[in-house]
Amino acid sequence: NAGVTQTPKFQVLKTGQSMTLQCAQDMNHNSMYWYRQDPGMGLRLIYYSASEGTTDKGEVPNGYNVSRLNKREFSLRLESAAPSQTSVYFCASSDYRSGTNEKLFFGSGTQLSVL
Amino acid sequence: LAKTTQPISMDSYEGQEVNITCSHNNIATNDYITWYQQFPSQGPRFIIQGYKTKVTNEVASLFIPADRKSSTLSLPRVSLSDTAVYYCLVYNFNKFYFGSGTKLNVKP
Repeated sequence: NAGVTQTPKFQVLKTGQSMTLQCAQDMNHNSMYWYRQDPGMGLRLIYYSASEGTTDKGEVPNGYNVSRLNKREFSLRLESAAPSQTSVYFCASSDYRSGTNEKLFFGSGTQLSVL
Repeated sequence: LAKTTQPISMDSYEGQEVNITCSHNNIATNDYITWYQQFPSQGPRFIIQGYKTKVTNEVASLFIPADRKSSTLSLPRVSLSDTAVYYCLVYNFNKFYFGSGTKLNVKP
């Protein structure tokens, strides 16, 4: 059972380049999330998707777009990368139903450097 | 959304019980309290969750007073492998916001 799979694990971009971070979960979860974690900091929510076909902004959505391709996949796109987007990106999923007893399951992260 | 406040860091020794307290003064009636553990270079991992009173599982206990304005994560007899960052979250309807967390350093 793979859980939450993120690709790539590492990426280096030049300022202005674009890229898409991929995330897939095999737990049949309804909700998926993208977080970023800067060195020595906690995680900040970028976007989330409560269910297939819906997406909503989190705390720090500027500079990012997301696509909930289907129930399994949730991608994060940087259209024009900036050095301020250098961070570790985590994808997570949860089986949201009624708001009770929810657990987030995380991928192993993507370390992104923008030069 | 209720903001959480935790100590930035704590030190402990192997075999001791560790209690990490989180303040969430603005918690709403429908909010739940949950704790996560994060090791370096890994995503956070769920530890425990509760709504009120006391919850215990195989790795930790969670104490929540009647007013629910704070909560305490209790780790019994910590080992070196418990060195990690611990996050307290208050969540409602699948919106999970992490604070800065508490870095626990367990010494031999």
